[in-house]
Amino acid sequence: GQSLEQPSEVTAVEGAIVQINCTYQTSGFYGLSWYQQHDGGAPTFLSYNALDGLEETGRFSSFLSRSDSYGYLLLQELQMKDSASYFCAVPDSNYQLIWGAGTKLIIKP
Amino acid sequence: EADIYQTPRYLVIGTGKKITLECSQTMGHDKMYWYQQDPGMELHLIHYSYGVNSTEKGDLSSESTVSRIRTEHFPLTLESARPSHTSQYLCASSGTGYGYTFGSGTRLTVV
Repeated sequence: GQSLEQPSEVTAVEGAIVQINCTYQTSGFYGLSWYQQHDGGAPTFLSYNALDGLEETGRFSSFLSRSDSYGYLLLQELQMKDSASYFCAVPDSNYQLIWGAGTKLIIKP
Repeated sequence: EADIYQTPRYLVIGTGKKITLECSQTMGHDKMYWYQQDPGMELHLIHYSYGVNSTEKGDLSSESTVSRIRTEHFPLTLESARPSHTSQYLCASSGTGYGYTFGSGTRLTVV
């Protein structure tokens, strides 16, 4: 079967750096995506990694290691508005996304 | 402005009623999706479409139907609402890339 694992909750302090991990088991691999969802809102696309390495977009970076079936989302200079749930997802062979259960990021002042 | 729209935003309805949740996108995306999500939980795929006249069932499709007569429109119909249908329903679309664009969602309460 295909599955993704990510921590259910991560707590960090405002201004700090936090890493949210995601491991996956898939029959084929086409890339790893990250989405952010605020309470009561809809998911918004953050990043997509098809190749190994780190991709940076402002305060957010996403990393992929295909050999380890592992990726992470790195958030720097945390702000209170970053409090949200973060989902990793991988597309299957039909371009359907398989979703992780989400990581709730709690930021303390 | 290119976007994806869902109506209604909130809906309270009685058990046994038939309801249709609307979803329209102006991005010209071929692929569209319906998800069900309870607060703080993962997304469950209900239905999806690869284009006009294409509809496929996801994991939670047994009590709902969809249609795709036009590229921009992908409505979801619950034939007989039940309290177990109380949830948030999210519509999404995607083009040639891997990123999905989501609508704001419909919060459905069945009483």
